Order: sequence, then structure tokens, then C-alpha cells
Amino acid sequence: SQKIEQNSEALNIQEGKTATLTCNYTNYSPAYLQWYRQDPGRGPVFLLLIRENEKEKRKERLKVTFDTTLKQSLFHITASQPADSATYLCALDADNTDKLIFGTGTRLQVFP
Amino acid sequence: GAVVSQHPSWVICKSGTSVKIECRSLDFQATTMFWYRQFPKQSLMLMATSNEGSKATYEQGVEKDKFLINHASLTLSTLTVTSAHPEDSSFYICSAREQGGLFFGSGTQLSVL
Repeated sequence: SQKIEQNSEALNIQEGKTATLTCNYTNYSPAYLQWYRQDPGRGPVFLLLIRENEKEKRKERLKVTFDTTLKQSLFHITASQPADSATYLCALDADNTDKLIFGTGTRLQVFP
Repeated sequence: GAVVSQHPSWVICKSGTSVKIECRSLDFQATTMFWYRQFPKQSLMLMATSNEGSKATYEQGVEKDKFLINHASLTLSTLTVTSAHPEDSSFYICSAREQGGLFFGSGTQLSVL
């Protein structure tokens, strides 16, 4: 069956450290993968998109990698800050359609 | 980035009533919008794809007669939850695609008593 898996346990890290979140998928062949941030009671906010032919993408303190062999994407936040505390969702296109399928998200808590 | 406005932010209604949720793309035209539902601590689940000027496409298991979708213009899609019941209580979120990615509304928390 098709699955998108993110670590359901919260990730707690100290301010200034690098946070690394994992997204694994099964039985999908996405053309791209996206990462979103979601705060409680709010809609997701788009962060980064990485295409299947891209290994890595960066945006300010964010870095995303995409390994189509491992079927995995890693999302890194360097020099993390308490304001980075939120739930982070990965999403991919369902078999090259326009529909996005989301993982369950990982809650990140950055403490001072 | 593109702005998607969703209204209302929250609604409380009695069982059996209908609730309409609006989703607007403010600074771009969206021929396609998507409606998601999210239960607490769960992922966003795609309910349907709203197509301007034509019928919506529903995901498997979503009742089209219960969740009525109308996409009458390039900037507005509406979701009507008909004869709402407590099990319909959830967070409903719309989204629209614009060049850079998928942009979401702020969501509507529906509570059915």
C-alpha cells in the first residue's frame, strides 16, 4: 500500500542546534516533494519544493534533500530558534497528478 | 507568496444544519482548488478537487451529496457540509495552486453539537 511516514514523536532540540526531520514514502513515484509548516489551528504554509532530479535545495536556514533510491527526504533547520517550533509536514504529488498527499507531520519543539 | 482566504475561521452549528465554507484566491486566479480535512493530530486528508466551471472530483470514501462543492469563478470555491453531524466536526482547509506551490487558507474549525 502507499504510505508517507514521518516520525510521529515530537522532536525536542535546544536552540542553536540543527533539527533534522525525516519523511519516508512507499509505493509512490513522485515528481517532487514539498515541505510545509503548520502552526496549531492554522493552515499549512509552504516552505520548500524539491524535484526528483534535485538532490538538495536550500532556503536561508532550511535545507531539504531528496533521495529517490531510498525514497526519503530529509528536512534540516540549522541554528534553530524557539520560533521554529511547529509541526512540519512533507507532501508529495500522487503519481504525477496535481493532488498532494501529506504525511502525518512531526512536531518540532525548540527550547531556549 | 499567493494569498488564499478562507471564511469563516470557526463555526459551531446544531446537528442537522448545513454549513458553507468559502475559499478565495485573493491575488491570483485558480482554476483548481483542493479541499482537505484534518482531525486532531492527524494528517491532512484530501477530500475533493474543485474545478472551475465543472463538477468537483471526490476522493474515495467522500460523500459528494454531503460535501457539496461549487467553484463558480476563478477566485472562489465553496464547500457546503449538508445536514452536519457531530462526526463531521473537523478542521477543513482549502488550497489553491499558484506557480510556486500549493497555498492554503487558514482553515475552518467546524464543531457540530
